[in-house]
Amino acid sequence: DIQMTQSPSSLSASVGDRVTVTCRASQGISNYLAWYQQKPGKVPKLLIYAASTLQSGVPSRFSGSGSGTDFTLTISSLQPEDVATYYCQKYNSAPFTFGPGTKVDIK
Amino acid sequence: EVQLVESGGGVVRPGGSLRLSCAASGFNFHDYGMSWVRQAPGKGLEWVSGVYWNGDNPGYVDSVKGRFTISRDNAKNSLYLQMNSLRAEDTALYHCASGYLDAFDMWGQGTMVTVSS
Repeated sequence: DIQMTQSPSSLSASVGDRVTVTCRASQGISNYLAWYQQKPGKVPKLLIYAASTLQSGVPSRFSGSGSGTDFTLTISSLQPEDVATYYCQKYNSAPFTFGPGTKVDIK
Repeated sequence: EVQLVESGGGVVRPGGSLRLSCAASGFNFHDYGMSWVRQAPGKGLEWVSGVYWNGDNPGYVDSVKGRFTISRDNAKNSLYLQMNSLRAEDTALYHCASGYLDAFDMWGQGTMVTVSS
């Protein structure tokens, strides 16, 4: 099975900072990659699908890029409401594995 | 309003069984593949099982193969997960979500399953 890794596992940044989270698949998955945001005590929310397509209603400060095995989630200007854990997920074939998550908070 | 409402969780002893249900409303359930995703307390997300819009081609994570069975009833707008031979490591909050070979764009609040003697 394809394994998903994320780095860093956590980060702390200031409001307004540019934040980057990376996700790596152990084998190529084309662009079948989604990013989710999970705030504490809340249900996961889809942010990006097809590696770079923003889900409707998601702020434009979020963006995604990559293809094959290496992917990136970028928050262009971190806001207090972005404090959350971010997960990547492959969905090209079962099992639809999630990455271990990256916890983002405010410095 | 789109809603996915899970039920059926509870406390069960190791080796026991539970059947989870997910009631969908506010969207064309029969058009969507559906999945179950679980989250153990303080841990990350784990896809458990999923099924095509028509019930075909069910998939499972290795750790539940042979123990869990996914099904759906499009006439009732419902998704199910039959869980047998439960283990302590199955303890988690179980969410249903829309998506199977797609990103998961709708999620329920989840139902808690606790496996403990």
